[in-house]
Amino acid sequence: AQSVTQLGSHVSVSEGALVLLRCNYSSSVPPYLFWYVQYPNQGLQLLLKYTTGATLVKGINGFEAEFKKSETSFHLTKPSAHMSDAAEYFCAVSDAGGTSYGKLTFGQGTILTVHP
Amino acid sequence: EPEVTQTPSHQVTQMGQEVILRCVPISNHLYFYWYRQILGQKVEFLVSFYNNEISEKSEIFDDQFSVERPDGSNFTLKIRSTKLEDSAMYFCASSPQRGSTDTQYFGPGTRLTVL
Repeated sequence: AQSVTQLGSHVSVSEGALVLLRCNYSSSVPPYLFWYVQYPNQGLQLLLKYTTGATLVKGINGFEAEFKKSETSFHLTKPSAHMSDAAEYFCAVSDAGGTSYGKLTFGQGTILTVHP
Repeated sequence: EPEVTQTPSHQVTQMGQEVILRCVPISNHLYFYWYRQILGQKVEFLVSFYNNEISEKSEIFDDQFSVERPDGSNFTLKIRSTKLEDSAMYFCASSPQRGSTDTQYFGPGTRLTVL
């Protein structure tokens, strides 16, 4: 069974400050990892994903995440927050095994607030 | 840019009534999913669907739930007899191919309120 834990249901930063959203996963098989963002009244939009290869993954809007197997983590970062980054962020894991049809297991989400 | 659409955006129903939530996946996608999020809880997988068959379903997806692709464009989730605990945001998603690496594209959701 897989699970995802996002530390902090709410994170507040000032505009221009570093954004760090934490995600830890549990998986019995090599995981595929995703970060999605949800803006108000919109669907979940993929920010970035890790499948194989380079452990530092770059996504849209200046976000990046690093897969650390030893720490079972996939934290999301952005060097400088912008007001438009205010949204809810979801970390998710998918089973890399052959029996999976792509089922995503999500964390509980982190609401990011950006102050002027 | 193609997107997944869902209707209605908000559905209010009485307990025991049947509801059908509708989704139009991206046109060339082959795999379809339903997820739900009860207020304050995690987004949970319900079911995946391919080639007119359920590929995988969760424990939540019991006999009260069904999915259908009635034509070439719509993908529906039916709840036969709604319960209070079915109140949630329901998300539809689609992906071009099977596979855990493939990106799932999500719709904006339907908020279901059962009274």
